[in-house]
Amino acid sequence: DAKTTQPTSMDCAEGRAANLPCNHSTISGNEYVYWYRQIHSQGPQYIIHGLKNNETNEMASLIITEDRKSSTLILPHATLRDTAVYYCIVRVGPNNDMRFGAGTRLTVKP
Amino acid sequence: GAVVSQHPSWVICKSGTSVKIECRSLDFQATTMFWYRQFPKQSLMLMATSNEGSKATYEQGVEKDKFLINHASLTLSTLTVTSAHPEDSSFYICSAPLAGAGSSYEQYFGPGTRLTVT
Repeated sequence: DAKTTQPTSMDCAEGRAANLPCNHSTISGNEYVYWYRQIHSQGPQYIIHGLKNNETNEMASLIITEDRKSSTLILPHATLRDTAVYYCIVRVGPNNDMRFGAGTRLTVKP
Repeated sequence: GAVVSQHPSWVICKSGTSVKIECRSLDFQATTMFWYRQFPKQSLMLMATSNEGSKATYEQGVEKDKFLINHASLTLSTLTVTSAHPEDSSFYICSAPLAGAGSSYEQYFGPGTRLTVT
């Protein structure tokens, strides 16, 4: 039972902002929204997480709607190296393990 | 940020043999580590939770006698694939959690081990 819904794939032009949406309409009040990405044949890389406030770090920004039912990951200036599968996760197991859905395959094009 | 390493990064073995994969947290201690498996063009699937000093817990459908997990120290967990078969060929990834702000946890993932069974 996936708790998140993400588009299967997206394209973005190099240098432009990449906005990756995620729906998590059944999120509980104390569940965080986590974003990871996986570049081909590598382990997933942590990007950012948040509870209800918008968050920003050196990699990305996370915008969470006021009702917390959806969020958007923003890569402000996408580069070719940002081509990866991006996972939005709200489902955390009993031992704080991450449960992955299908994710969004982002392709940054020159 | 925190670093998790895996060794080897890739391994080829013959059918029927056993293979051990190591997962280390390099700059933090982890009483719990996780093992995932990823088949081509699929997402990561949690196999088991490795607990330091106690038995691992396995997800439904994962054979505990085939995938032996040992978590002997706070920085090392090992996964041994016993009597490997070609269908065990996959990308194996470990992770370790690190507590963040509030009740959040950041998971740090290893680079993965690609196992090919011939």
